[in-house]
Amino acid sequence: DPKIIQKPKYLVAVTGSEKILICEQYLGHNAMYWYRQSAKKPLEFMFSYSYQKLMDNQTASSRFQPQSSKKNHLDLQITALKPDDSATYFCASSQDGTGNNQAPLFGEGTRLSVL
Amino acid sequence: AQKVTQTQTSISVMEKTTVTMDCVYETQDSSYFLFWYKQTASGEIVFLIRQDSYKKENATVGHYSLNFQKPKSSIGLIITATQIEDSAVYFCAMRDMGYKLTFGTGTSLLVDP
Repeated sequence: DPKIIQKPKYLVAVTGSEKILICEQYLGHNAMYWYRQSAKKPLEFMFSYSYQKLMDNQTASSRFQPQSSKKNHLDLQITALKPDDSATYFCASSQDGTGNNQAPLFGEGTRLSVL
Repeated sequence: AQKVTQTQTSISVMEKTTVTMDCVYETQDSSYFLFWYKQTASGEIVFLIRQDSYKKENATVGHYSLNFQKPKSSIGLIITATQIEDSAVYFCAMRDMGYKLTFGTGTSLLVDP
């Protein structure tokens, strides 16, 4: 059974709309992350959370907003969607985020297509 | 700023042979962690092996091992006795003492029977 669950697996949206990508992990990890993978770029770090606090934000646009309602949840809200936002979004988690050699483990991803 | 470079776009090998994938990195930090992941055809990203910068011994896990050359900022992945199911895209990644994992562009490996 997957320990990091991402929903939905596929998502089609129209330009200008808003979507929420869901992520929950059952590994007991304290740090969670979002990464994006598009055809044009390698896996790209977006956000990191530790104990439900935002620790690092490398996303230039405020249209991307992470939301952590519980320690093992880190959802990603994307507003005013653009075709360039089309990508696969991966959630990941690790025991802790900093000064720690634990490898982040990844969910199966949500493939977002914006028309 | 961190940077990870994988120059090999794709490699094709025969089954049961050994393959080496290259990766070089740039960082200003004296302490950092290096990782290799593979991404299967289904899109799943799987952690394979890790090297801590302060360790001189090369890491080994199963049929994966690393060739860590710190003076050259290089961390090569070696896969011995390759199998068909090793066909995937392999990513090198680095993290310093912060949270961000920086990935290379990946090397696509095809193992032929």
